[in-house]
Amino acid sequence: KAGVTQTPRYLIKTRGQQVTLSCSPISGHRSVSWYQQTPGQGLQFLFEYFSETQRNKGNFPGRFSGRQFSNSRSEMNVSTLELGDSALYLCASSAQQGVGTEAFFGQGTRLTVV
Amino acid sequence: GQQVMQIPQYQHVQEGEDFTTYCNSSTTLSNIQWYKQRPGGHPVFLIQLVKSGEVKKQKRLTFQFGEAKKNSSLHITATQTTDVGTYFCAVRDDGADSWGKLQFGAGTQVVVTP
Repeated sequence: KAGVTQTPRYLIKTRGQQVTLSCSPISGHRSVSWYQQTPGQGLQFLFEYFSETQRNKGNFPGRFSGRQFSNSRSEMNVSTLELGDSALYLCASSAQQGVGTEAFFGQGTRLTVV
Repeated sequence: GQQVMQIPQYQHVQEGEDFTTYCNSSTTLSNIQWYKQRPGGHPVFLIQLVKSGEVKKQKRLTFQFGEAKKNSSLHITATQTTDVGTYFCAVRDDGADSWGKLQFGAGTQVVVTP
């Protein structure tokens, strides 16, 4: 069974540009969530999608957005990039509903904004 | 949301020694999960705890959920170099539509000296 796949693995962008990151969850997983990881702020929740609907959103500006397709694949977009957006962006998929549900993480996309 | 404080932030351990990392909350938690992230890697699920006073073991790792469900601990005995990494505790939101959100602690970065 394939794991969570994130593409690309590495990105270098210039301030002001926009970027789109992709995540393919484990087959059958309908919940896809995104996290930003930085040395200073740790792992922070961005948003979560379930059956193509955004159900939860973290405390990030509107420049961060996402979507989920009918096959559960998800994309996140960051517009007008800032230096502070440099981070490891992790996607996680989950199968079952409810607390105690294990999250399966992808290897992440390392974004560097210069 | 349910927030957790994790201590210590860093832990230097001599190979063969034991250590413990703690996760604390001011409110009662419905669940707690533990993840390990190796250097350069992504978080990997270790365990989940949902019952008051629950204790679970995985080889040299012992996980505990406090009686009041306000704290949790991870104890590693006879530390090995393979234990290097950052250990995170995390709490799943327990709402019917918000369970997709994981709130992470800041993590304990473990360095093992041979």
